Amino acid sequence: QITLKESGPTLVKPTQTLTVTCSLSGFSLSVSGEGVGWIRQPPGKALEWLALIYWDGDERYNPSLKNRLTITKDTPKNQVVLTMTNMDPVDTATYFCARRLLAYNYFDPWGQGTLVIVSS
Amino acid sequence: DIQMTQSPSSVSASVGDRVTITCRASQDISRYLAWYQQKPGKAPKVLIFSASSLQSGVPSRFSGSGSGTDFTLTISSLQPEDFATYYCQQGNSFPLTFGGGTKVEI
Repeated sequence: QITLKESGPTLVKPTQTLTVTCSLSGFSLSVSGEGVGWIRQPPGKALEWLALIYWDGDERYNPSLKNRLTITKDTPKNQVVLTMTNMDPVDTATYFCARRLLAYNYFDPWGQGTLVIVSS
Repeated sequence: DIQMTQSPSSVSASVGDRVTITCRASQDISRYLAWYQQKPGKAPKVLIFSASSLQSGVPSRFSGSGSGTDFTLTISSLQPEDFATYYCQQGNSFPLTFGGGTKVEI
């Protein structure tokens, strides 16, 4: 069974850096074609894609946030980490990670998400 | 960036109704379109990929159609568990983009 689980702080202060971790189970980013992405959703709003990393280290970012985002993979730990710098209250959202195979154009499955609140 | 526009933003329907949701891309995305269902407090779940392919385990009352810039998600006979918000997402090019969502409610 393939699952993903997000973890990270619930509360972050403005200007701080957010680090959220996605722990993978049932698949590995050491396998050709595998990828993991991050998507966020502000309360009551739509989904926004943030970043994606593939098994070969290829990284993709949303240009609207590119200067603030870094996605990395820790293959031995089977984890993917997203960091976002200079957090602002508008970054308050649920952050999801999800699997995306290179051969397909959709995310499946998704983690349960982790709510991050940005407030002083 | 490719903009994805969904309509309507919300629809009121009853059990047994046929519901149609549309998604328009700002440029040609071929058939690189997926549909997701999201229930309150839960993660999205893929229903349809490649515009019309039904994900394994998804009931056959869900169907997708379209190509190029215009796409449709149809629920042939709405069931109580289908009341949710639906999103389209283009996978043709980066940045990946989602539609604004359609809430299906009673």
